[in-house]
Amino acid sequence: ETGVTQTPRHLVMGMTNKKSLKCEQHLGHNAMYWYKQSAKKPLELMFVYNFKEQTENNSVPSRFSPECPNSSHLFLHLHTLQPEDSALYLCASSQRATGVAGYTFGSGTRLTVV
Amino acid sequence: AQTVTQSQPEMSVQEAETVTLSCTYDTSESDYYLFWYKQPPSRQMILVIRQEAYKQQNATENRFSVNFQKAAKSFSLKISDSQLGDAAMYFCASFGNEKLTFGTGTRLTIIP
Repeated sequence: ETGVTQTPRHLVMGMTNKKSLKCEQHLGHNAMYWYKQSAKKPLELMFVYNFKEQTENNSVPSRFSPECPNSSHLFLHLHTLQPEDSALYLCASSQRATGVAGYTFGSGTRLTVV
Repeated sequence: AQTVTQSQPEMSVQEAETVTLSCTYDTSESDYYLFWYKQPPSRQMILVIRQEAYKQQNATENRFSVNFQKAAKSFSLKISDSQLGDAAMYFCASFGNEKLTFGTGTRLTIIP
């Protein structure tokens, strides 16, 4: 039990599809994050939610749409993706946005866009 | 802005030996924290060790220790008595201004 659960583990989607990634944490954290992990590149921070409010959007294309209905759940809605969006998408959580204790990560969703 | 550089894409070590992974960083923050994360094939990023920049003493967690050289902005990870379960990608990360910034990672292979 990792504390941060991501579903699905793998996802293959066409460029015209709409899908959603889900992240759930049961650690009592109130900050949640989406990261994109591509080969040979540093993890890229996409979105930050602090107390359910989006506090960071790192110039992410609008084809990625986050949703945070409460402090325990985070979604990433996907539509009209491109092949270069294929990557591992990692969700993380922390206590507030200070992160000084480190983030807790899920196991990610491996996304392939065909 | 923060940057984290890991110059060793791959490293290997004989089982039971010691290995050191390198990391340098740059930050304009006066208050920051440094981390090493491990990512095994299961893909989950696991926190290995944490260092507060204001502390001079190097952090240690069992077989894992760091060499923190603040003036040189260097933060290396030493793994002693390497075990097969240590095989993974290792990421150095810097936290400051409410952002966690990662390096590109070092793939560590353990040779039986």
